[in-house]
Amino acid sequence: ETGVTQTPRHLVMGMTNKKSLKCEQHLGHNAMYWYKQSAKKPLELMFVYSLEERVENNSVPSRFSPECPNSSHLFLHLHTLQPEDSALYLCASSQDQQAYGYTFGSGTRLTVV
Amino acid sequence: AQSVTQPDIHITVSEGASLELRCNYSYGATPYLFWYVQSPGQGLQLLLKYFSGDTLVQGIKGFEAEFKRSQSSFNLRKPSVHWSDAAEYFCAVVRDNYGQNFVFGPGTRLSVLP
Repeated sequence: ETGVTQTPRHLVMGMTNKKSLKCEQHLGHNAMYWYKQSAKKPLELMFVYSLEERVENNSVPSRFSPECPNSSHLFLHLHTLQPEDSALYLCASSQDQQAYGYTFGSGTRLTVV
Repeated sequence: AQSVTQPDIHITVSEGASLELRCNYSYGATPYLFWYVQSPGQGLQLLLKYFSGDTLVQGIKGFEAEFKRSQSSFNLRKPSVHWSDAAEYFCAVVRDNYGQNFVFGPGTRLSVLP
């Protein structure tokens, strides 16, 4: 266990469904991140939250909607996804947005059918 | 812009053999350098990092890496590979210690023969 917990581990959803991914960190960090990892592509940063405020959105389609209700929890709400959105979604956290101490969760494997 | 290359997409070694995974980066100054490992179905685990000081860095699981400024390289090594080392390895750089500025390489998949 890394201190960053992601649920569910696996998710299969239809293109018309609405689902949410959850990330929880127990490290006392104040910054959290969402990444997308697709086959044969480098890791892509999607969103950054610092002190519960979104500080970066890397041109992510609006069908992905993040939420950070407190510094320990991060959600990614999904709706009307496309098959190309199938990927491993990774959450990470760090202190003060620093790369030092950056910690990843185990990810949610999402399949869109 | 920063970039990271890992020239080897897939490497196969025998258990007990030595290992070197290559990483080259493109950046004007010395960035912060990282190696991560990802086992199947898992997230990324930090093996080691270089911020400053001694250019030979020791990490977990018996791994080490050497920063060579003249070659813009940060190669990962292990003297004797174990079957459990089979995984995907990612090199990453950050120019200014900000997490959102991570640039990850494409990864090298390591297979270990018994």
